[in-house]
Amino acid sequence: GQNIDQPTEMTATEGAIVQINCTYQTSGFNGLFWYQQHAGEAPTFLSYNVLDGLEEKGRFSSFLSRSKGYSYLLLKELQMKDSASYLCASRGPLNRDDKIIFGKGTRLHILP
Amino acid sequence: DTAVSQTPKYLVTQMGNDKSIKCEQNLGHDTMYWYKQDSKKFLKIMFSYNNKELIINETVPNRFSPKSPDKAHLNLHINSLELGDSAVYFCASSHVRGSSGNTIYFGEGSWLTVV
Repeated sequence: GQNIDQPTEMTATEGAIVQINCTYQTSGFNGLFWYQQHAGEAPTFLSYNVLDGLEEKGRFSSFLSRSKGYSYLLLKELQMKDSASYLCASRGPLNRDDKIIFGKGTRLHILP
Repeated sequence: DTAVSQTPKYLVTQMGNDKSIKCEQNLGHDTMYWYKQDSKKFLKIMFSYNNKELIINETVPNRFSPKSPDKAHLNLHINSLELGDSAVYFCASSHVRGSSGNTIYFGEGSWLTVV
């Protein structure tokens, strides 16, 4: 089965750094995604980690520890437009029933 | 050009009605999905199709019937609509099933309100 846990809401200040954590329990784990979703819009892809370590992409970085079932999304130099929900999603076995399951999302509020 | 497009974007209908949502992707993907996002913003998978074949059916009431006429289209028909069906329905697609790192691309969503 697959179970994903992430905080419901977080608040940070413009220009600051914020880390959004995600823990997962996924049988046959094959990767961890982060998506961003602005209110009233579709989720958009941010990052994908399958190996342990940190992947950096501009102001956003994503970290994975497979042994701990843990990931985080790090957002630097926060901007007001970063106010959104951030969805952690895990991928199960690469077989016929391959599916990507989403967590409930972390709503990030950016204060000026 | 929109990669994953779904229609209608907004739909308000009465309980008991039957309605359909259409989805098309022009990315050449072979897997398509329907996700439901409720008022608590929880994005939950409903169905997955690979090359027109149903792969995943996540305990969805049989009032919901997906249909895939070809691998670029996945439509969702809902019979006897109930108040609890009010949600945003996202169509999505991804490339080559079974390959690591496949990203899911979402349509813009269909806002269904049952009154």
